[in-house]
Amino acid sequence: DSGVTQTPKHLITATGQRVTLRCSPRSGDLSVYWYQQSLDQGLQFLIQYYNGEERAKGNILERFSAQQFPDLHSELNLSSLELGDSALYFCASSVGRGLAGGPQNEQFFGPGTRLTVL
Amino acid sequence: AQTVTQSQPEMSVQEAETVTLSCTYDTSENNYYLFWYKQPPSRQMILVIRQEAYKQQNATENRFSVNFQKAAKSFSLKISDSQLGDTAMYFCAFILPGSTLGRLYFGRGTQLTVWP
Repeated sequence: DSGVTQTPKHLITATGQRVTLRCSPRSGDLSVYWYQQSLDQGLQFLIQYYNGEERAKGNILERFSAQQFPDLHSELNLSSLELGDSALYFCASSVGRGLAGGPQNEQFFGPGTRLTVL
Repeated sequence: AQTVTQSQPEMSVQEAETVTLSCTYDTSENNYYLFWYKQPPSRQMILVIRQEAYKQQNATENRFSVNFQKAAKSFSLKISDSQLGDTAMYFCAFILPGSTLGRLYFGRGTQLTVWP
């Protein structure tokens, strides 16, 4: 158990719908990262937040958005869902801002949310 | 562009034997960090080992060790005394400190099966 929690574990929805994925980082971690794992694209970085502020953006679609709340939990919102959005969505957290790969920036991954769009 | 290549989609090894997983990467940066992550059937991503690019000494964690060849941009993982619990997908990844602020670049993974 990494200490990172994600809800829900599984989500099944229809095209065109909107869903929200939730992540609670480890106690004391200030950074939250979102990754998408799909068969087509592999593991792709989506976005990072540090202490409530967006710090880095990756291959995140405009239909997707995220935020980090004052209690440091984060939500990833996916809208106008398409079949191709079906994937495993991971949240990871770290103590630091991610400026280096040292122990303070080791990313601990949650168990993921499996999203299926029908 | 930053890329990670794992040329072996699948590998298998008998229990107690040694196996080496290959990884090459491409970056123009000089300072970075390399990782191997393990993803067992439970889908949990688990950090196996870390290597700082500025360190010449290869990292070791119990049965896991790496062969880091900076000039060749190669970062292979050796698993000694393989155990059934090592069966998992293994991902090579790296981080560039600085502007990209900690995002991990992942390879496509190598599925390792350890058989009795």
